[in-house]
Amino acid sequence: GAGVSQSPRYKVAKRGQDVALRCDPISGHVSLFWYQQALGQGPEFLTYFQNEAQLDKSGLPSDRFFAERPEGSVSTLKIQRTQQEDSAVYLCASSQTGGGYTFGSGTRLTVV
Amino acid sequence: GESVGLHLPTLSVQEGDNSIINCAYSNSASDYFIWYKQESGKGPQFIIDIRSNMDKRQGQRVTVLLNKTVKHLSLQIAATQPGDSAVYFCAEITTNDYKLSFGAGTTVTVRA
Repeated sequence: GAGVSQSPRYKVAKRGQDVALRCDPISGHVSLFWYQQALGQGPEFLTYFQNEAQLDKSGLPSDRFFAERPEGSVSTLKIQRTQQEDSAVYLCASSQTGGGYTFGSGTRLTVV
Repeated sequence: GESVGLHLPTLSVQEGDNSIINCAYSNSASDYFIWYKQESGKGPQFIIDIRSNMDKRQGQRVTVLLNKTVKHLSLQIAATQPGDSAVYFCAEITTNDYKLSFGAGTTVTVRA
């Protein structure tokens, strides 16, 4: 597609519920990133994929967070047993090797 | 209008005036810097970038200045327009890395 597509745009989850956030990167982009943006803050790195390989997951805040990109294109960020502190905008970005990032519009997660 | 000093969270500017947004970066090893614009409900959008071997770069109505001695970056917007109202983030990265590190952001409001 023309840009990075994320779904859903908004998600309200009850505390303890599992959620799955989807990212469709730009076709052909090798690199894919997930960032978390708390209200009023800059995005914070979560994890990085090169094709299907997850090369860095150092930013994932706990073992409740899990990301995958099984075929090297679409990626899913899963959060198990959501907590209120997980409320944030989750941004996906993709890039070609050595190229600039293109961000999606994000998924706003609210845990109630 | 100018965000004086290292960083101010908000900047109010009269339409048609020039805006200056400042950013202090933290990593002296960073050699690539990017300014992003983020409108409400959207992901960060690339504005302009600069590498550490330069101290100034101009785009359309925007100029980025880099002072490596004091680890300071600024974004100048000429003839600010209502469509420039947004949150602006500076981001830094080192060439052999892939993680963008974002500042906290400055909210620019353009007064008609």
